[in-house]
Amino acid sequence: GNSVTQMEGPVTLSEEAFLTINCTYTATGYPSLFWYVQYPGEGLQLLLKATKADDKGSNKGFEATYRKETTSFHLEKGSVQVSDSAVYFCALSDLDSNYQLIWGAGTKLIIKP
Amino acid sequence: GAGVSQSPSNKVTEKGKDVELRCDPISGHTALYWYRQSLGQGLEFLIYFQGNSAPDKSGLPSDRFSAERTGGSVSTLTIQRTQQEDSAVYLCASSLGQVSSTDTQYFGPGTRLTVL
Repeated sequence: GNSVTQMEGPVTLSEEAFLTINCTYTATGYPSLFWYVQYPGEGLQLLLKATKADDKGSNKGFEATYRKETTSFHLEKGSVQVSDSAVYFCALSDLDSNYQLIWGAGTKLIIKP
Repeated sequence: GAGVSQSPSNKVTEKGKDVELRCDPISGHTALYWYRQSLGQGLEFLIYFQGNSAPDKSGLPSDRFSAERTGGSVSTLTIQRTQQEDSAVYLCASSLGQVSSTDTQYFGPGTRLTVL
């Protein structure tokens, strides 16, 4: 069945550091891929998405490229800020899951000033 | 409102009591989802409504959990005879309901349930 695997957290970085949060997936079809973010005390927000291979989703300085050959959708940001501290969830949707989201476990990101 | 709303934002109850959690989806969204997020854990799917179709209840953890969606809009998640392990944040999401992998779910702020 479909699944999403994220790197375990917490990930702790200093402000202005480069961020990568790894996400790999298993799917038999052609999924869409999503990153959601949950800031402390807030609900989940869609951060970015990509719906086909080689697409790049981007938002708020974050980027992720849909790599079918490596079944990956790694989240990157060139220079993180303290305000980026949050939990990040990778997810996929495709026909096999009846288009419901299959979620990774989440990665907690801590940015120190 | 523009987004998904949930009420109450916090609920503290005693073990054995029943609770009702409410979700108001984005206007025009035909699909509605309930998830549970336990402390430090990922999201656990509970139930999914799509239009007038029978709901997908495959994620409900026990028969103490039920949900309904009236008029294709507001949904209520009911937990009967609450147990301490039911303590979690209950999240609701809605989407346009396009039968497509591009359909995007939008989340409410959640209801934090604490069972004493």
